[in-house]
Amino acid sequence: AQSVTQLGSHVSVSEGALVLLRCNYSSSVPPYLFWYVQYPNQGLQLLLKYTSAATLVKGINGFEAEFKKSETSFHLTKPSAHMSDAAEYFCAVSGPGGAQKLVFGQGTRLTINP
Amino acid sequence: DTGVSQDPRHKITKRGQNVTFRCDPISEHNRLYWYRQTLGQGPEFLTYFQNEAQLEKSRLLSDRFSAERPKGSFSTLEIQRTEQGDSAMYLCASSLSSPAGGEGYTFGSGTRLTVV
Repeated sequence: AQSVTQLGSHVSVSEGALVLLRCNYSSSVPPYLFWYVQYPNQGLQLLLKYTSAATLVKGINGFEAEFKKSETSFHLTKPSAHMSDAAEYFCAVSGPGGAQKLVFGQGTRLTINP
Repeated sequence: DTGVSQDPRHKITKRGQNVTFRCDPISEHNRLYWYRQTLGQGPEFLTYFQNEAQLEKSRLLSDRFSAERPKGSFSTLEIQRTEQGDSAMYLCASSLSSPAGGEGYTFGSGTRLTVV
């Protein structure tokens, strides 16, 4: 079975500050890991994904995440927050290869203070 | 192509009524997924189609839920005898490959169901 835990349901940072959203996973098989963003009244959009290649993954909008097997973590970072980054962020895990199902965490709401 | 479309965007229904939602995927995508998202939670997998074949169903999908994808194009999700616990956002996604491949999933904006 696979699961994801996002530490902190709500994170608030100042504009220009570092963004750090935490995700820890549990998986009995080598995981594929994802970060999605959801803006109000919209569907989820893929930010980045880890699929067993480079452990440091760069995504859209300046976000990146690092896969750390020893810590079973896949934290999302952005060096400098922008007001437009305010949204709900979801970490997700799937199995390798042709696994179809994503298991999502409960989400972290990111608020940016001016 | 304008992405994944879901209809309606909002649905309010009385407990015990049946409801049906529609999802139109990106035309070249052969895989289609339904997820359910309740307030303050991440999406939960319901079911998955490859073309017209329903290949996986979650235990969350009780007997009151049925999904179809005739001709491998649009899909419908029907809930019979709705209960207040069915109130949620129902998300549809489509893809050309598994979530880890290519562009991954493209999600629609969802149908928000409120059962009163």
